Amino acid sequence: SQKIEQNSEALNIQEGKTATLTCNYTNYSPAYLQWYRQDPGRGPVFLLLIRENEKEKRKERLKVTFDTTLKQSLFHITASQPADSATYLCALVNPGYSSASKIIFGSGTRLSIRP
Amino acid sequence: DGGITQSPKYLFRKEGQNVTLSCEQNLNHDAMYWYRQDPGQGLRLIYYSQIVNDFQKGDIAEGYSVSREKKESFPLTVTSAQKNPTAFYLCASGTSGLQLGPYNEQFFGPGTRLTVL
Repeated sequence: SQKIEQNSEALNIQEGKTATLTCNYTNYSPAYLQWYRQDPGRGPVFLLLIRENEKEKRKERLKVTFDTTLKQSLFHITASQPADSATYLCALVNPGYSSASKIIFGSGTRLSIRP
Repeated sequence: DGGITQSPKYLFRKEGQNVTLSCEQNLNHDAMYWYRQDPGQGLRLIYYSQIVNDFQKGDIAEGYSVSREKKESFPLTVTSAQKNPTAFYLCASGTSGLQLGPYNEQFFGPGTRLTVL
């Protein structure tokens, strides 16, 4: 069955350091991968998308890599700030799949940045 | 002010009752989705609709029902047949699965927290 895993349930790092979150998957061939940010009690907010033929994508302090051989995506936040503290979700998307499998979400990693 | 809204924010239900969660969007999106989020689990798709008057079951549709009579609205009814309905429910909208935009990102509402008493 399809499976998507995010490296750890929680990650705590010092302000100013780079936070690296991992998303691994099996039994799925994503056309692209998305990353979302979710604050407590709120809906997720889209951050970045990376396609299967792209190795890396950047947006301000965010960087996403995508390795379809390793079946893994890494999400980096450089120069982290306490305001970056949130849960980050990865999602795999393949429009060619049937119904519910078009998009599947990971359970998220809760990131805490301490001052 | 474009966006997607859900109401109510908190909802309490007695066992055996049906309740309906509201979801409205003014983003002119064709596709709308309902997810359920439980602690330690990813979002699980309940139902989705790619066009008015049409919808499909997701992974966990049992005990739920939806309607899509208007493009802007996609209400979810949690029926008494749903054995464990206590959860955080998220509605989302996006470009249609049949004609994807460049990002196909989903825009989420603020969520409804349902608790069964």
